[in-house]
Amino acid sequence: KAGVTQTPRYLIKTRGQQVTLSCSPISGHRSVSWYQQTPGQGLQFLFEYFSETQRNKGNFPGRFSGRQFSNSRSEMNVSTLELGDSALYLCASSADRGKVFGPGTRLTVL
Amino acid sequence: KNEVEQSPQNLTAQEGEFITINCSYSVGISALHWLQQHPGGGIVSLFMLSSGKKKHGRLIATINIQEKHSSLHITASHPRDSAVYICAVWGNNNDMRFGAGTRLTVKP
Repeated sequence: KAGVTQTPRYLIKTRGQQVTLSCSPISGHRSVSWYQQTPGQGLQFLFEYFSETQRNKGNFPGRFSGRQFSNSRSEMNVSTLELGDSALYLCASSADRGKVFGPGTRLTVL
Repeated sequence: KNEVEQSPQNLTAQEGEFITINCSYSVGISALHWLQQHPGGGIVSLFMLSSGKKKHGRLIATINIQEKHSSLHITASHPRDSAVYICAVWGNNNDMRFGAGTRLTVKP
């Protein structure tokens, strides 16, 4: 069974740009959640989608958004990038509360 | 104060030692996860617990819901166990909160 895939794996952007990250869950998993990991704040929950609906959202500004498609693939978008958005962005898919994490996308904002 | 507290922050052990990492939380939860993160960033979910105890190979995880406390034990530790171990709780509002992690180094 293929694991969770995230694309791209690495990304460099400049302040003010916007970025879209993609996550393909394990086949059959309908829930996708997104997390940000930084050295200063550690892991933080961004949002969770289930059957194309946002089920929960963490404490992040509106510049962070996401969506889920009918095939359960999910994207997250960050607009007007700031230096502090540099982080490892992880997604995880689950069939119940057990989670399988993807390898992450490392975003660097210059 | 963080809602999820882990101790110790850093832990160095000799190969073969028994290791315990602790997690205390202050919010109501429906489940608790122990995660392992190796250098390079990949995260593996080791356990999901809502009560009692689970064992997988040399790893054992326990949770005491009344005391809001969980422990992760590693028996016969090995250098390949070197990683950051993260406690994460699944809150009653369906959100997930994380401890700061415990950096484990096992020396041969």
